[in-house]
Amino acid sequence: DAGVTQSPTHLIKTRGQHVTLRCSPISGHKSVSWYQQVLGQGPQFIFQYYEKEERGRGNFPDRFSARQFPNYSSELNVNALLLGDSALYLCASSRTGFSTDTQYFGPGTRLTVL
Amino acid sequence: AQKITQTQPGMFVQEKEAVTLDCTYDTSDPSYGLFWYKQPSSGEMIFLIYQGSYDQQNATEGRYSLNFQKARKSANLVISASQLGDSAMYFCAMREGGSEKLVFGKGMKLTVNP
Repeated sequence: DAGVTQSPTHLIKTRGQHVTLRCSPISGHKSVSWYQQVLGQGPQFIFQYYEKEERGRGNFPDRFSARQFPNYSSELNVNALLLGDSALYLCASSRTGFSTDTQYFGPGTRLTVL
Repeated sequence: AQKITQTQPGMFVQEKEAVTLDCTYDTSDPSYGLFWYKQPSSGEMIFLIYQGSYDQQNATEGRYSLNFQKARKSANLVISASQLGDSAMYFCAMREGGSEKLVFGKGMKLTVNP
């Protein structure tokens, strides 16, 4: 079975631009979560979606938004990019949104903001 | 607030030896899950093992086992018979019952020498 897929793998943007990152969950998984991982740190939670509804949001500014589509894929949008947004963005899927459910991660999108 | 602490910045181990990676956690929720992930230099987070707070036995998955000491709030990962491919960053993470997010530690780097 295919794992979580993310696109693009790498992205270079300049300050002030907008970016859209995409994620396809494992088949049968209905929950998608997004994490930001800056160099040298553990991932930080951004959003969780389950059945197209936002279930949770981390401590990130309103420049960050996301949505989940009927096929359970998801997009993460970041507006007005800052240098500090440079990071690895990880998408994770799980069968449900329950806390005991393991989240499986994709390969990530490495975003560089110049 | 939930918190994960990984104090070992890095460890070196000889191939075929066993190694223990430390993790302590803090939570006031009696229901929680503990996870270990491996992150090679490619960036993908690979799920290794899960331990629920109500599980009576320590979790095992192949060469991985979790030494769960609830009273001490520790969840150490034990890798038996290290392999060169085990060289990576290792992250401990926790998810409280009813919470939508995984909280990660800062990770630790394991290097397996031939």
